[in-house]
Amino acid sequence: AQSVTQLGSHVSVSEGALVLLRCNYSSSVPPYLFWYVQYPNQGLQLLLKYTTGATLVKGINGFEAEFKKSETSFHLTKPSAHMSDAAEYFCAVSDLKAAGNKLTFGGGTRVLVKP
Amino acid sequence: EAGVTQSPTHLIKTRGQQVTLRCSPISGHTSVYWYQQALGLGLQFLLWYDEGEERNRGNFPPRFSGRQFPNYSSELNVNALELEDSALYLCASMRSASSYNEQFFGPGTRLTVL
Repeated sequence: AQSVTQLGSHVSVSEGALVLLRCNYSSSVPPYLFWYVQYPNQGLQLLLKYTTGATLVKGINGFEAEFKKSETSFHLTKPSAHMSDAAEYFCAVSDLKAAGNKLTFGGGTRVLVKP
Repeated sequence: EAGVTQSPTHLIKTRGQQVTLRCSPISGHTSVYWYQQALGLGLQFLLWYDEGEERNRGNFPPRFSGRQFPNYSSELNVNALELEDSALYLCASMRSASSYNEQFFGPGTRLTVL
């Protein structure tokens, strides 16, 4: 079975500082990996995804993530936080072969941006 | 292109009642997924429908059920509501489940059970 662990349920960063959200996964097959963002009272929006190819993935709003197979990690970063980045972020893994792209999510990390 | 839509936005029910949530996928998408986001439990996979058939379900009791219609819209039914069913229910659609495709999420239906 697949699983996703996000280290830290809450992260506080200053505006302009680096945002680093950690995600580790377990999967018996090559995974597809995702980061989603959820703003208050809204659904999920895809930030970026890794399927195959280049391990450094760039997404929307200045976010990027690097797939490290040896560390089973897919950490999300943004060089300079903006107030609009305050939201909850979810890392997810899917297994196409086993379950038709069913997503398994981590517990989420809520980001607070301080002025 | 219109996104995934869900209705209603909010609803309040009492224990023991039944509820039906609705989801309309993006045009051209044949797969619909349902997820539950309950406080303290995170996002959990509920059901997957593709081409009108239930293809997979998560670890939920049988009182959670649904269907997919010929136009690929979907309903999620929850019978005998319990307090712990209070959650945000998210629907996602995907173009096809036969290969990798991105899931697009709707805004969700927030269910409160009193």
